[in-house]
Amino acid sequence: QKEVEQDPGPLSVPEGAIVSLNCTYSNSAFQYFMWYRQYSRKGPELLMYTYSSGNKEDGRFTAQVDKSSKYISLFIRDSQPSDSATYLCAMSEAGGFKTIFGAGTRLFVKA
Amino acid sequence: NAGVMQNPRHLVRRRGQEARLRCSPMKGHSHVYWYRQLPEEGLKFMVYLQKENIIDESGMPKERFSAEFPKEGPSILRIQQVVRGDSAAYFCASSPRQISSGANVLTFGAGSRLTVL
Repeated sequence: QKEVEQDPGPLSVPEGAIVSLNCTYSNSAFQYFMWYRQYSRKGPELLMYTYSSGNKEDGRFTAQVDKSSKYISLFIRDSQPSDSATYLCAMSEAGGFKTIFGAGTRLFVKA
Repeated sequence: NAGVMQNPRHLVRRRGQEARLRCSPMKGHSHVYWYRQLPEEGLKFMVYLQKENIIDESGMPKERFSAEFPKEGPSILRIQQVVRGDSAAYFCASSPRQISSGANVLTFGAGSRLTVL
């Protein structure tokens, strides 16, 4: 079993749709939960991160963590074609240097 | 303020040759990480280095792969006697801080894409 599971997609939605991206994990020691966005042929860039359980909002993006279910989500409101990218969830233990990534979900937002 | 710089961006090698990938971290960052990305598999941790020290290389294959981060100059990931299975995108990331608590926020370079013929 992988430490972090993420559906690779692809996920195709029309412009303006609400997008839901999800990951599950098995290591209960994970405390930091991150979402990275990666455009084609580019390196990943950090979108946002949360600590432990709860929600965090940044503009059109909302991250949710449910530690009891070992389940994290990223919601994108009013999706735009420029949101088309691969979204990778990532996790680490508190004080840990090793970040574990999901496989990434490819998202296509159609104009 | 330049980000993480990786070169070459693309590298083609024949089986049995050596590949050297270089990474200059962001200014002010002294911690470097190498990750490998295969299609549909996400990023796999390879090695974590600080200046002149390998902190953790648990993700590195035991043979043919080595990494260094000298006192002066970029970090180098070296792959000897490359095989077709080494074809992948290799990403370097850097961070500024000693990890004692808090999230380890990584800044990635654009990657080096190795193709082994």
